[in-house]
This record gives sequence, C-alpha cells and structure tokens, in this order.
Amino acid sequence: DAKTTQPNSMESNEEEPVHLPCNHSTISGTDYIHWYRQLPSQGPEYVIHGLTSNVNNRMASLAIAEDRKSSTLILHRATLRDAAVYYCILRSSNQGGKLIFGQGTELSVKP
Amino acid sequence: DGGITQSPKYLFRKEGQNVTLSCEQNLNHDAMYWYRQDPGQGLRLIYYSQIVNDFQKGDIAEGYSVSREKKESFPLTVTSAQKNPTAFYLCASMLYSGPNYGYTFGSGTRLTVV
Repeated sequence: DAKTTQPNSMESNEEEPVHLPCNHSTISGTDYIHWYRQLPSQGPEYVIHGLTSNVNNRMASLAIAEDRKSSTLILHRATLRDAAVYYCILRSSNQGGKLIFGQGTELSVKP
Repeated sequence: DGGITQSPKYLFRKEGQNVTLSCEQNLNHDAMYWYRQDPGQGLRLIYYSQIVNDFQKGDIAEGYSVSREKKESFPLTVTSAQKNPTAFYLCASMLYSGPNYGYTFGSGTRLTVV
C-alpha cells in the first residue's frame, strides 16, 4: 500500500490561511487522495478528495502537484473549530474501500 | 437527517464478558466498516462488509466478530478472546467501496474493561 508522510503538528492563527502538506511519492496512477479530520473524542469527518486536478468544496481546497507525489490541503480562513488531526490517505480500487490511517497532522489554531 | 448511529456512547465490560456494539445507518450505503482507535494512534480496520450477508477481516480481526444481516446494520461483538479491548470504536459507511467515494463515520463507542 502506498504511504503518506505528514508533519506531526502545525500551528495557525485564527482567520489566516493554513496549508497542510502531504507527501506520497509512491502513489500509483489510480490512487485517489483523500483528506479527513478528527476532532477530539469524535469520529473522523470527510473533508475532500481528488485524483489529478485541484478540487474545491465548502470546507477546503485540495492542491495536487503535477507529478501527484504531493498534495496540500488548504483551509482558507482557519477558525478555532478547525483545530483537529488531519489525515491524508491514499485510496486505490483494490483495497475494498479500506482507509489506511497514518498519524496525521495535529493542527492547533491560536486566537 | 441521514447518518450513522453508534450506541452506546460509553460501555464498560468486565473481563471475560462478550459485548456487542451497535452501528445503524439510514444512508442506504452498501459498504460498512469497523475501526479501532487507541490513544494517540490512527485508526485500524477490524472488519468490513461490502454487501449484505458478506464481510471480510481487516488488519486486527482477532477477538472480534460481526454480522451483516441487514443493509442498515453492522454490529460488532468484542469477545473475551480480545486481550486488550479498551479502545475507541468507530463505525463507518460508504455508498460504494470504490476509491472515488468518501466515508461517513459515526460518533464512536468508548469501551472500557473494568
């Protein structure tokens, strides 16, 4: 299974943009890049996913490098409610839908 | 509103007892999953089911059992054979198991062995 590498922790100031990086140098051509976040004592929440093109939704944007070996989750204006652990996960068609979680990035947001 | 309901939120078990964690979804999703999370760790897959009356072992299935008799329900039994059952258990579902679909997670059950 292709792996992802994320920084253990990041800090941001409230109302500033946040760029959360993810490296996935062994990604295959059919792997989708998914992002989830988890608040303390809650289940993970789907954020966004993409294959090759950049993606935008109401929660965030996903910027995918041209060679697909890295991606960046962008929160345009961080709020205190965005403080969570963010997981970058690769999903392939032969995994039966399994999500393989790494350690993620713990994002703290300062007022 | 559609979603996944896990119950109970907190569960205490005596050593040697079997306990069953409930997971119900009204999203009409085909695939359902059980994960376990230990403090400070990521999630690990226990069992998953892509269709009714069928399920597969995940990475840490020993000491657990499941059933999928209805599309909406995927209960997890933690048996006495599970040596370290204290953990946060999360159920999830997905419309289809393909890589272009996202999960919906429940709010979890925190199991403690006393």
